[in-house]
Amino acid sequence: NAGVMQNPRHLVRRRGQEARLRCSPMKGHSHVYWYRQLPEEGLKFMVYLQKENIIDESGMPKERFSAEFPKEGPSILRIQQVVRGDSAAYFCASSPPRAANTEAFFGQGTRLTVV
Amino acid sequence: AQRVTQPEKLLSVFKGAPVELKCNYSYSGSPELFWYVQYSRQRLQLLLRHISRESIKGFTADLNKGETSFHLKKPFAQEEDSAMYYCALVSGNTGKLIFGQGTTLQVKP
Repeated sequence: NAGVMQNPRHLVRRRGQEARLRCSPMKGHSHVYWYRQLPEEGLKFMVYLQKENIIDESGMPKERFSAEFPKEGPSILRIQQVVRGDSAAYFCASSPPRAANTEAFFGQGTRLTVV
Repeated sequence: AQRVTQPEKLLSVFKGAPVELKCNYSYSGSPELFWYVQYSRQRLQLLLRHISRESIKGFTADLNKGETSFHLKKPFAQEEDSAMYYCALVSGNTGKLIFGQGTTLQVKP
């Protein structure tokens, strides 16, 4: 089991471009979480998805950000018309269906730099 | 409001010295708390969780509901303990985590 895979590891975008971040959960995991870490800050929850469903998007900015987790393929975090303030590390975590003491496994993150 | 606070950004100790990384939380209800660790160039990984009351790599953490704290302790620090440590709590029943700002532990030889 290769663990949670995120790609790309590093992404550079010019202001106004789109950024697409991918996350392949661990085998058997149907729950995906996205977190953002701004410079000098802790990880902040963005969105929680199960296959084909957004369960909790309370941490997502209202505009320009969207996430999906299709039936087939990785979860995608999409940022449209990026701005400098979007520069951050974006982490994905996956877990099996929620149960007591379920551990979330993290990917290595994607570092987005907006220039 | 649900919140996790790690007051120290950096903790620097000598090898063999005791370590305590502080974590305080704010949560209504019974919290489920974790410590995650991120070694250099590696992914974030679970170190321990309060509910299992275990000791991992010599680290322990006790939940103190009176002081709303979950401090991470180790009696004798090792150089390989140098890493970034995050305290986190589970919010609600969705499994989403609320993280503290993180503390960098630096163990000097």
